[in-house]
Amino acid sequence: AQSVTQLGSHVSVSEGALVLLRCNYSSSVPPYLFWYVQYPNQGLQLLLKYTTGATLVKGINGFEAEFKKSETSFHLTKPSAHMSDAAEYFCAVSDLIYNQGGKLIFGQGTELSVKP
Amino acid sequence: DTGVSQNPRHKITKRGQNVTFRCDPISEHNRLYWYRQTLGQGPEFLTYFQNEAQLEKSRLLSDRFSAERPKGSFSTLEIQRTEQGDSAMYLCASSSGQGKPYGYTFGSGTRLTVV
Repeated sequence: AQSVTQLGSHVSVSEGALVLLRCNYSSSVPPYLFWYVQYPNQGLQLLLKYTTGATLVKGINGFEAEFKKSETSFHLTKPSAHMSDAAEYFCAVSDLIYNQGGKLIFGQGTELSVKP
Repeated sequence: DTGVSQNPRHKITKRGQNVTFRCDPISEHNRLYWYRQTLGQGPEFLTYFQNEAQLEKSRLLSDRFSAERPKGSFSTLEIQRTEQGDSAMYLCASSSGQGKPYGYTFGSGTRLTVV
């Protein structure tokens, strides 16, 4: 079975500071990993995804994440936070390539606050 | 590409009533998924379709829930005899499902409030 753990339900940073949102996963097969962002009362927007190949993945809005198999981690970072980054962030894992079902297993989410 | 469309955006219903939500996926996507998201939680998988076939259902999908995808196009999710615990955001997503890990496209969701 697959699972995702997001460390820290709330993270607060100052504008311009480094953003680090932590995600650890459990999977019995090579995982596909995703980060999504959700603004209030809206659906989920894909930030970035790791499937195969390069372990450092760049996404939209200046975010990136690094897949570390040895640490079973997929932490999300952004060098400099902007006020517009304030939102809920979800890490998700899927076994798309092995299981044609392709459902996503989500973490509990991390709410990011950005202080001026 | 008009994205995934969900209707209605908000639904308030009295306990015991039936409700139905609709999802229109991206036209070329053959896979369609339903998720439920309660306040402060991540989305939880409910069910998915490949074309018109419902291939997997979560244990979360009680007998009061039913989903259909006639002709492999839009999908409906019906909840019968609603309970207060059904209050949540119901999210629909679609993907191409061609054996490649395309990212999902999510709709904006239907927020259900049972009073």
